[in-house]
Amino acid sequence: KQEVTQIPAALSVPEGENLVLNCSFTDSAIYNLQWFRQDPGKGLTSLLLIQSSQREQTSGRLNASLDKSSGRSTLYIAASQPGDSATYLCAPPGNQKVTFGTGTKLQVIP
Amino acid sequence: NAGVTQTPKFQVLKTGQSMTLQCAQDMNHNSMYWYRQDPGMGLRLIYYSASEGTTDKGEVPNGYNVSRLNKREFSLRLESAAPSQTSVYFCASSEAGSGANVLTFGAGSRLTVL
Repeated sequence: KQEVTQIPAALSVPEGENLVLNCSFTDSAIYNLQWFRQDPGKGLTSLLLIQSSQREQTSGRLNASLDKSSGRSTLYIAASQPGDSATYLCAPPGNQKVTFGTGTKLQVIP
Repeated sequence: NAGVTQTPKFQVLKTGQSMTLQCAQDMNHNSMYWYRQDPGMGLRLIYYSASEGTTDKGEVPNGYNVSRLNKREFSLRLESAAPSQTSVYFCASSEAGSGANVLTFGAGSRLTVL
């Protein structure tokens, strides 16, 4: 059974800081890994998808890396902004039963 | 806009009542999923359907039934609602089999059972 851990559970940073969110998983037989953002009371929005053959993926100020051998992924956010405040979840789909981490709740303070 | 549509967005039930949450996607995806999200528990998979005509249990299937009506629609039914089923329910879909498995989510259905 895939188990996903996200560290830290919560993070509060001043605006402008660069930060790293961590995701670890137990089953490395994954097809890809997806990072999501969830705003309070809202659904999940896909941020980045890293294919299993890739090591990283970039979108604007976001950069996600994937190390299947160690069962880890990181999401790097550059020059954080108050609008980045949200919960970030990772999901290594694996087989059909996609498993989510409990997320990292990020607060960026103006 | 293309995507995953869930209805209703909000629902209040009394214990013992039944209801069906509807989900439809227009992206021609093969796989569909139902999750529930509770504070401190994260997203937990209830049921999924790898393809039209197939369904399988996820992590927390007790008290729920599903129907994959066709390729577009995947419904979740609560036969006799209990307060423990108070939650936010999310439907998702993905194009399984291609190796891409990009998940697209609906906006969620907030269910309260009194």
